Amino acid sequence: DTAVSQTPKYLVTQMGNDKSIKCEQNLGHDTMYWYKQDSKKFLKIMFSYNNKELIINETVPNRFSPKSPDKAHLNLHINSLELGDSAVYFCASSPLAGGATDTQYFGPGTRLTVL
Amino acid sequence: GDSVTQMEGPVTLSEEAFLTINCTYTATGYPSLFWYVQYPGEGLQLLLKATKADDKGSNKGFEATYRKETTSFHLEKGSVQVSDSAVYFCALLLRGANSKLTFGKGITLSVRP
Repeated sequence: DTAVSQTPKYLVTQMGNDKSIKCEQNLGHDTMYWYKQDSKKFLKIMFSYNNKELIINETVPNRFSPKSPDKAHLNLHINSLELGDSAVYFCASSPLAGGATDTQYFGPGTRLTVL
Repeated sequence: GDSVTQMEGPVTLSEEAFLTINCTYTATGYPSLFWYVQYPGEGLQLLLKATKADDKGSNKGFEATYRKETTSFHLEKGSVQVSDSAVYFCALLLRGANSKLTFGKGITLSVRP
C-alpha cells in the first residue's frame, strides 16, 4: 500500500496554463507539506497544513494555491505557469505539527516541465 | 536563519570503500537532525535521525552522531555497495507549530563495482 501518493507523476504543459497536482496520504497523519526540488536537487518547503489549516507559507508566489479538502489530501494548484516553475514537487506528511522528532514521509514526486 | 551545509559533491567510490559525508548546521534552537536518501527516480526516504546531543542514528549500515559541540551530523558507512548510489540529504527540524525541515543541498553518491 502506498503511504503518500501523488498524481500525476509527470506533467508537461505550456507557459501560461493552469495545472493541479494531487496528494493523498493513508497514514492517518495530521500534517502535510509541499516541497519544491529544483534542477540542482535543492529542496525547499513551500507550504504545510495541519488538519486542513495552513501553517507555513514560505514566500511562494500567489500563483500557487494549496487546498486541503480533508486531512488526508493536500492539492497544489498553479496558475499562469512560468518556465521557472519547472521542478519536481514532493508532497510529504507527518503525524503532528511541531513534533521535532516526527519523521516526514514523502511521496514519489511530480516532475513538472513548463515549455 | 537556520541552515544546513553539506560537503560538495558528487562523490564516486568503489564498492566496499569507506564513506563519510559531512554535514554541519546552524540553528536558533535545539534541532533534531536527519539524513534522507533519494534513490534514482524516487521520493525521499528517511535513512536515520537523532534528536539530542550524542545520540547516534543508524540504519542499513549507515551511522551518524549528533555532535552539539561541533554542530555536526556526519554520515558514515564502513563498506558501501552499488545499491547505495543515491542522493543524500542532511536536514534539521526545530520544534514548534511552524516546524519545517530545512535541507542541505544534497550530495550525489555513485558506487562503482
